[in-house]
Amino acid sequence: AQTVTQSQPEMSVQEAETVTLSCTYDTSESNYYLFWYKQPPSRQMILVIRQEAYKQQNATENRFSVNFQKAAKSFSLKISDSQLGDTAMYFCAFTDTQGAQKLVFGQGTRLTINP
Amino acid sequence: DVKVTQSSRYLVKRTGEKVFLECVQDMDHENMFWYRQDPGLGLRLIYFSYDVKMKEKGDIPEGYSVSREKKERFSLILESASTNQTSMYLCASSPHRGRQANYGYTFGSGTRLTVV
Repeated sequence: AQTVTQSQPEMSVQEAETVTLSCTYDTSESNYYLFWYKQPPSRQMILVIRQEAYKQQNATENRFSVNFQKAAKSFSLKISDSQLGDTAMYFCAFTDTQGAQKLVFGQGTRLTINP
Repeated sequence: DVKVTQSSRYLVKRTGEKVFLECVQDMDHENMFWYRQDPGLGLRLIYFSYDVKMKEKGDIPEGYSVSREKKERFSLILESASTNQTSMYLCASSPHRGRQANYGYTFGSGTRLTVV
């Protein structure tokens, strides 16, 4: 079974700093998708970024980028120039390309951006 | 704007009650999911459905059942609510992978259920 692990329950940084959230996963599949979701206090899950495992290039979306290391099964999220609106729970998630079309989530990291 | 709508944002029920959590999506998605969110545990899959009248157990199905009579609606049922089912429940939907390859999942805004 696939598992996703986020080892940082909470993180806190000052506004405008750069912060990196860690995620590791375990799978025997060779092709899969990885995601970072943001859940602000409104509780609405928002897709931040998506990475396809067969693509070597790390995904980037504006201030958000990932460091995808397939051999190490690591998928970290870097937030540059952090903003107060980035305060949220962040979840790393995995889905394979075969079989059950479900998302497997990590435990989550609560990120606080301080003014 | 496409949406997944959960019928209640907050719900308080008594132990032993039968509880229905409703989820409706307007995107013509084939797949629908029910997750439970607890602090320190992340989101755990309860049940999912690939099509009307089809259902599959997730990782923690005990104490729950589901119903999908129409494509757009997926209901989670707590047959006899217990205090350990106090949690946040999130519904999600996605298109079948054969129809759309971007693996997009859309979530509802959650139902916070308290069982007393």
